[in-house]
Amino acid sequence: GENVEQHPSTLSVQEGDSAVIKCTYSDSASNYFPWYKQELGKGPQLIIDIRSNVGEKKDQRIAVTLNKTAKHFSLHITETQPEDSAVYFCAASIGAPGGGNKLTFGTGTQLKVEL
Amino acid sequence: GAVVSQHPSRVICKSGTSVKIECRSLDFQATTMFWYRQFPKKSLMLMATSNEGSKATYEQGVEKDKFLINHASLTLSTLTVTSAHPEDSSFYICSARAGSIGNTIYFGEGSWLTVV
Repeated sequence: GENVEQHPSTLSVQEGDSAVIKCTYSDSASNYFPWYKQELGKGPQLIIDIRSNVGEKKDQRIAVTLNKTAKHFSLHITETQPEDSAVYFCAASIGAPGGGNKLTFGTGTQLKVEL
Repeated sequence: GAVVSQHPSRVICKSGTSVKIECRSLDFQATTMFWYRQFPKKSLMLMATSNEGSKATYEQGVEKDKFLINHASLTLSTLTVTSAHPEDSSFYICSARAGSIGNTIYFGEGSWLTVV
């Protein structure tokens, strides 16, 4: 089955700096890669996703890049703010975007943005 | 984005009793919903895939008779923890696949279950 690895497990940055979280996946058939932000005691919130026919996607301060050859994808947050502090999960799935196929999650990254 | 509502957000039950958690897609239809369990500071562990109108598909190691899943409509799936034990205490999260929104998967807010 699919295996997703995520690094780092914790990340501290100064407010205004950039943060990068990286994930690798094992199954070359995976074609949908969402990123979720989870605040303490709450459910994960989709912040951005990318499909395998695209190499990069950006939404304001958040961007995701995908390298299918190397089987890795990354989340980039620029101009970090204290409210960005949370746990971030990457995920991968096979088939149409989530199309009946389950997401395999990374182990999560605790991001802390310090003033 | 689409909204997935989970209820209750917190529940305390006595050992041996059953508790039901509801997962509703509020503004889209979901033929497929997923149930996860999450331990503190850990990732999400998929328990089962819930398909509208058919039996759920359980992950290896998840007891189907203990974690009953019903997906009777396109907007509602329920998870019933039967004969609850303290070790069932956890954060349970559902997600729903929005077929009308590019098959994107949205999560509910989660339900904290404490078995005493």
